[in-house]
Amino acid sequence: NAGVTQTPKFQVLKTGQSMTLQCAQDMNHNSMYWYRQDPGMGLRLIYYSASEGTTDKGEVPNGYNVSRLNKREFSLRLESAAPSQTSVYFCASSRDRGRSSSYNEQFFGPGTRLTVL
Amino acid sequence: GENVEQHPSTLSVQEGDSAVIKCTYSDSASNYFPWYKQELGKGPQLIIDIRSNVGEKKDQRIAVTLNKTAKHFSLHITETQPEDSAVYFCAATGSNSGYALNFGKGTSLLVTP
Repeated sequence: NAGVTQTPKFQVLKTGQSMTLQCAQDMNHNSMYWYRQDPGMGLRLIYYSASEGTTDKGEVPNGYNVSRLNKREFSLRLESAAPSQTSVYFCASSRDRGRSSSYNEQFFGPGTRLTVL
Repeated sequence: GENVEQHPSTLSVQEGDSAVIKCTYSDSASNYFPWYKQELGKGPQLIIDIRSNVGEKKDQRIAVTLNKTAKHFSLHITETQPEDSAVYFCAATGSNSGYALNFGKGTSLLVTP
Protein backbone atom coordinates (compact mmCIF):
# COMPACT_ATOMS: atom_id res chain seq x y z
CA ASN A 1 0.00 0.00 0.00
CA ALA A 2 1.26 3.48 -0.90
CA GLY A 3 -0.80 5.13 1.86
CA VAL A 4 -1.47 8.80 1.08
CA THR A 5 0.14 10.23 -2.03
CA GLN A 6 0.31 13.88 -3.08
CA THR A 7 1.28 15.57 -6.32
CA PRO A 8 3.19 17.66 -7.08
CA LYS A 9 5.96 17.67 -4.45
CA PHE A 10 7.05 21.21 -5.30
CA GLN A 11 5.39 24.06 -7.17
CA VAL A 12 6.18 27.70 -7.85
CA LEU A 13 3.34 29.97 -8.97
CA LYS A 14 3.02 33.61 -9.84
CA THR A 15 0.40 35.72 -8.09
CA GLY A 16 -2.98 35.20 -9.73
CA GLN A 17 -2.21 31.80 -11.25
CA SER A 18 -4.35 28.81 -10.43
CA MET A 19 -3.46 25.23 -9.65
CA THR A 20 -4.85 22.03 -8.19
CA LEU A 21 -3.10 19.89 -5.59
CA GLN A 22 -3.92 16.23 -5.91
CA CYS A 23 -4.27 13.70 -3.10
CA ALA A 24 -5.13 10.02 -3.18
CA GLN A 25 -5.30 7.29 -0.54
CA ASP A 26 -5.45 3.54 -1.00
CA MET A 27 -6.54 2.58 2.53
CA ASN A 28 -10.30 2.69 1.85
CA HIS A 29 -10.65 5.54 4.33
CA ASN A 30 -13.86 7.51 4.57
CA SER A 31 -12.48 10.84 5.76
CA MET A 32 -9.90 13.07 4.09
CA TYR A 33 -8.35 16.40 5.07
CA TRP A 34 -6.26 19.26 3.74
CA TYR A 35 -3.90 21.15 6.08
CA ARG A 36 -1.40 23.90 5.61
CA GLN A 37 1.78 24.17 7.67
CA ASP A 38 3.53 27.47 8.20
CA PRO A 39 6.62 28.11 10.36
CA GLY A 40 5.66 28.48 14.01
CA MET A 41 1.96 27.91 13.25
CA GLY A 42 1.59 24.16 13.42
CA LEU A 43 -0.94 22.52 11.11
CA ARG A 44 -4.17 24.30 10.30
CA LEU A 45 -7.16 22.62 8.71
CA ILE A 46 -8.29 24.09 5.40
CA TYR A 47 -11.10 21.73 4.38
CA TYR A 48 -12.18 18.22 5.18
CA SER A 49 -14.44 15.57 3.73
CA ALA A 50 -16.07 13.29 6.28
CA SER A 51 -17.31 10.93 3.58
CA GLU A 52 -17.56 10.66 -0.17
CA GLY A 53 -19.78 13.42 -1.51
CA THR A 54 -19.41 15.80 1.43
CA THR A 55 -16.98 18.62 2.14
CA ASP A 56 -16.77 21.14 4.98
CA LYS A 57 -14.71 24.20 5.81
CA GLY A 58 -11.96 24.05 8.37
CA GLU A 59 -10.13 26.82 10.18
CA VAL A 60 -8.61 28.61 7.15
CA PRO A 61 -10.75 27.96 4.01
CA ASN A 62 -10.56 31.37 2.33
CA GLY A 63 -8.94 31.28 -1.10
CA TYR A 64 -9.35 27.52 -1.51
CA ASN A 65 -11.84 25.08 -2.97
CA VAL A 66 -11.94 21.31 -2.71
CA SER A 67 -13.43 18.39 -4.56
CA ARG A 68 -13.96 14.89 -3.21
CA LEU A 69 -13.78 13.21 -6.59
CA ASN A 70 -14.44 9.72 -5.23
CA LYS A 71 -13.61 7.79 -2.09
CA ARG A 72 -9.88 7.71 -2.96
CA GLU A 73 -9.24 11.26 -4.17
CA PHE A 74 -9.53 14.69 -2.58
CA SER A 75 -8.17 17.71 -4.46
CA LEU A 76 -7.41 21.24 -3.31
CA ARG A 77 -7.68 24.14 -5.76
CA LEU A 78 -6.22 27.61 -5.57
CA GLU A 79 -8.18 29.74 -8.05
CA SER A 80 -6.03 32.87 -7.81
CA ALA A 81 -2.86 32.26 -5.84
CA ALA A 82 -1.55 34.89 -3.44
CA PRO A 83 1.83 35.16 -1.67
CA SER A 84 0.02 34.48 1.63
CA GLN A 85 -0.69 30.98 0.32
CA THR A 86 3.00 30.12 0.25
CA SER A 87 3.10 27.11 2.54
CA VAL A 88 3.51 23.38 2.81
CA TYR A 89 0.26 21.57 2.14
CA PHE A 90 -0.53 18.19 3.65
CA CYS A 91 -3.32 15.84 2.78
CA ALA A 92 -4.43 13.27 5.36
CA SER A 93 -7.00 10.53 5.67
CA SER A 94 -8.64 8.56 8.45
CA ARG A 95 -10.88 5.53 8.46
CA ASP A 96 -13.64 7.41 10.20
CA ARG A 97 -14.46 10.51 12.11
CA GLY A 98 -16.51 10.96 15.22
CA ARG A 99 -16.92 10.37 18.93
CA SER A 100 -17.71 6.70 18.82
CA SER A 101 -15.08 5.82 16.29
CA SER A 102 -11.86 4.13 17.25
CA TYR A 103 -10.45 4.93 13.85
CA ASN A 104 -9.59 8.59 14.21
CA GLU A 105 -5.89 8.14 13.44
CA GLN A 106 -4.96 10.40 10.56
CA PHE A 107 -2.37 9.29 8.03
CA PHE A 108 -0.48 12.08 6.30
CA GLY A 109 0.98 12.37 2.84
CA PRO A 110 4.52 13.69 2.19
CA GLY A 111 3.36 17.25 1.47
CA THR A 112 3.46 19.77 -1.37
CA ARG A 113 5.75 22.75 -1.02
CA LEU A 114 4.11 25.72 -2.72
CA THR A 115 5.73 29.09 -3.31
CA VAL A 116 3.69 31.99 -4.68
CA LEU A 117 5.77 34.87 -6.03
CA GLY B 1 -13.18 26.63 19.31
CA GLU B 2 -10.47 24.41 20.75
CA ASN B 3 -7.13 26.05 21.52
CA VAL B 4 -4.06 23.86 22.05
CA GLU B 5 -0.92 25.33 23.59
CA GLN B 6 2.36 23.41 23.39
CA HIS B 7 5.61 23.95 25.30
CA PRO B 8 8.49 24.21 24.87
CA SER B 9 8.92 25.24 21.26
CA THR B 10 12.47 23.88 21.22
CA LEU B 11 14.11 21.26 23.40
CA SER B 12 17.68 20.00 23.40
CA VAL B 13 18.69 16.93 25.41
CA GLN B 14 21.68 14.64 25.54
CA GLU B 15 21.38 11.11 24.30
CA GLY B 16 20.06 8.87 27.05
CA ASP B 17 18.24 11.65 28.89
CA SER B 18 14.47 12.01 29.07
CA ALA B 19 12.42 14.58 27.18
CA VAL B 20 9.03 15.95 28.22
CA ILE B 21 6.68 18.02 26.06
CA LYS B 22 3.54 19.53 27.54
CA CYS B 23 0.25 20.62 26.01
CA THR B 24 -2.86 22.27 27.37
CA TYR B 25 -6.28 22.42 25.75
CA SER B 26 -9.27 24.65 26.31
CA ASP B 27 -12.32 22.59 25.37
CA SER B 28 -13.41 20.27 28.19
CA ALA B 29 -15.37 18.21 25.63
CA SER B 30 -12.17 17.11 23.85
CA ASN B 31 -11.71 13.37 24.22
CA TYR B 32 -8.92 12.27 21.88
CA PHE B 33 -5.29 13.40 22.18
CA PRO B 34 -2.77 12.17 19.60
CA TRP B 35 0.92 12.94 19.31
CA TYR B 36 2.61 13.18 15.93
CA LYS B 37 6.29 13.09 14.99
CA GLN B 38 7.44 14.94 11.89
CA GLU B 39 10.88 14.30 10.43
CA LEU B 40 12.47 16.79 8.07
CA GLY B 41 10.78 16.83 4.68
CA LYS B 42 8.09 14.34 5.65
CA GLY B 43 4.49 14.37 6.76
CA PRO B 44 3.55 13.93 10.43
CA GLN B 45 3.24 10.38 11.71
CA LEU B 46 1.22 9.24 14.70
CA ILE B 47 3.43 7.90 17.50
CA ILE B 48 0.97 7.53 20.36
CA ASP B 49 -2.51 8.64 21.33
CA ILE B 50 -4.71 8.63 24.39
CA ARG B 51 -8.45 8.88 24.95
CA SER B 52 -10.17 10.73 27.75
CA ASN B 53 -11.12 7.60 29.67
CA VAL B 54 -7.45 6.73 30.21
CA GLY B 55 -4.91 8.58 32.38
CA GLU B 56 -1.68 7.12 31.00
CA LYS B 57 -0.51 5.06 28.08
CA LYS B 58 2.94 3.65 27.37
CA ASP B 59 4.61 2.22 24.29
CA GLN B 60 8.22 1.19 24.84
CA ARG B 61 10.19 4.43 25.41
CA ILE B 62 7.22 6.70 24.80
CA ALA B 63 4.44 7.51 27.26
CA VAL B 64 1.59 9.98 27.35
CA THR B 65 -0.23 11.21 30.44
CA LEU B 66 -3.56 13.02 30.57
CA ASN B 67 -4.98 15.17 33.34
CA LYS B 68 -8.57 15.94 32.37
CA THR B 69 -9.23 18.13 35.39
CA ALA B 70 -6.32 20.42 34.59
CA LYS B 71 -6.84 19.97 30.82
CA HIS B 72 -3.27 19.12 30.05
CA PHE B 73 -1.42 16.17 28.57
CA SER B 74 2.26 15.38 28.19
CA LEU B 75 4.59 13.29 26.06
CA HIS B 76 7.48 11.57 27.79
CA ILE B 77 10.38 10.05 25.85
CA THR B 78 12.90 8.09 27.91
CA GLU B 79 16.42 7.00 26.94
CA THR B 80 16.42 9.41 24.02
CA GLN B 81 18.35 8.55 20.88
CA PRO B 82 19.57 10.78 18.01
CA GLU B 83 16.84 9.35 15.77
CA ASP B 84 14.26 10.86 18.14
CA SER B 85 15.29 14.28 16.81
CA ALA B 86 12.24 15.69 15.02
CA VAL B 87 9.32 18.08 15.46
CA TYR B 88 6.57 16.76 17.73
CA PHE B 89 2.98 17.96 17.60
CA CYS B 90 0.21 17.40 20.09
CA ALA B 91 -3.43 17.64 19.07
CA ALA B 92 -6.87 17.50 20.61
CA THR B 93 -10.30 16.82 19.22
CA GLY B 94 -13.85 16.29 20.34
CA SER B 95 -17.44 16.88 19.44
CA ASN B 96 -17.32 20.64 19.95
CA SER B 97 -14.67 20.97 17.26
CA GLY B 98 -16.49 18.69 14.85
CA TYR B 99 -13.84 16.06 15.51
CA ALA B 100 -11.24 18.14 13.68
CA LEU B 101 -7.72 17.78 15.01
CA ASN B 102 -6.52 21.03 16.59
CA PHE B 103 -2.74 21.00 16.64
CA GLY B 104 -0.25 22.66 18.92
CA LYS B 105 2.49 24.69 17.24
CA GLY B 106 5.10 21.99 17.62
CA THR B 107 8.26 21.26 19.60
CA SER B 108 11.58 20.86 17.82
CA LEU B 109 13.50 18.17 19.74
CA LEU B 110 17.23 17.79 19.25
CA VAL B 111 19.02 14.82 20.79
CA THR B 112 22.77 15.30 20.84
CA PRO B 113 25.16 12.33 21.04
